Parts: sequence; C-alpha cells; structure tokens
Amino acid sequence: QSALIQPASVSESPGQSITISCAGTGSDIGGSDSVSWYQQHPGKAPKLVIYDVIDRPAGVSSRFSGSKSGNTASLTISGLQAEDEATYYCCSYSNIATVVFGGGTKVTVL
Amino acid sequence: QVQLVQSGDEVKKPGASVKLSCKAPGYTFTRDGIIWVRQAPGQGLEWMGWISTKNHNTKYAQRVQDRVTLTKDSSTSSTIYLEMRGLRFDDTAIYYCARGRGLSWFDPWGQGTRVTVSS
Repeated sequence: QSALIQPASVSESPGQSITISCAGTGSDIGGSDSVSWYQQHPGKAPKLVIYDVIDRPAGVSSRFSGSKSGNTASLTISGLQAEDEATYYCCSYSNIATVVFGGGTKVTVL
Repeated sequence: QVQLVQSGDEVKKPGASVKLSCKAPGYTFTRDGIIWVRQAPGQGLEWMGWISTKNHNTKYAQRVQDRVTLTKDSSTSSTIYLEMRGLRFDDTAIYYCARGRGLSWFDPWGQGTRVTVSS
C-alpha cells in the first residue's frame, strides 16, 4: 500500500477539467512544500509536470497546475487533451520515509 | 540539458546480485542528488534510495536498505551505480534513476533498466 493515497482512475471528455487528489499526512504533504507530480505514458519513464507544489517546469503546458491544502495535494488538468491520457503520480518528501509516492491515477480521455 | 542513460536489461537468478548504472554523458555530477525508483509490472513507483554526488551521503528506503548500495564512480564522476544483493522474485521490475533537486523533485529520468529475477 502506497504512503500517499490517490484515486485509481479519473475519466473526462476532451476540453473538460479534472483534479487528481493526493492524500498524505502531516509527516509528508502537510509538513512539506516538496510535493511533485509525474506523468507516465505506457512504456515510458515518468516526466516531471509540477514541482514544489505549484511550479511548472519549462516546457510543461500551462494547463497543468498544482495546489495543496493541509495534508492533501491536488493536480488539475484543464482543457483536457488526448495526449494527457497517462498515469499520474504524486510524490512528497517525508520526514519518516524520506520520499513517498502515491499509487498513481490513470487518466482516461473519453 | 542533462540526459541520464541507464545500463541494459538484466536477467538474474534468485539470490544473485545485480549492479545497474546511470550515466550522464558529457556531464559531471558535482552537486546533484540521484534517486533510484523501481516499478514492478503493472504497479506504481517505489522509491529505493538517494545519493548525493557532492559528499556521497546516501539514504535508503527501509524495505531495501539491507540489500541495496548506491555508489558514485569516483574516476569518471558521471556514473552512479545501484547494487542489489540477494535478489528475490519480487525484485522483478523496471529500475529508474533520476536527478534530484535535493529530495524535493526529480528530473530528468533515465530510460529505465528491466531486471527480471527468474529461476
């Protein structure tokens, strides 16, 4: 069982928005600004899409945004496109386990 | 732009050891952190460990800390190694390395090395 809890799957139509939640504890998400999100297409390596809770690396679409409230972080994808279909993982620094990942959320674009 | 290139796929028997490499061609690791993450078939990402290329400090996930060692090649300063001992069937996975900004976020990632443990 992963340390961070994500929904297993989310589905939405093109052009719509989705939000993926990532629930942790005060030892990880709640106590750290080192929350990041990774996109993984089948057969590919993960790719960083959000870091430090809200920041976006160069080259990542502005349709991706991150936020945090208490012990829960969220990734929002607006204007959903077919290329966004992938599995998304949250990640946080943890003062117990050092680095913890969520179990992953499979995003399907209908 | 740093790229990470990992060594080729491995097939090992239970109880054997494996040593994987993560290289940054044309780049010298001096102040970076490198993490290793594995992904079992059809499963999520599991953090395994981290090494500072500045002072060689290491941190390991509790689940593997007795069997894993991370090292940096002192001669080239551009290659990081993960050695895992006492391989078990459930160590079958794709192993990724990634450059870390401390332990905060990880980018870029290597292409992955598939390790299969089979009798």
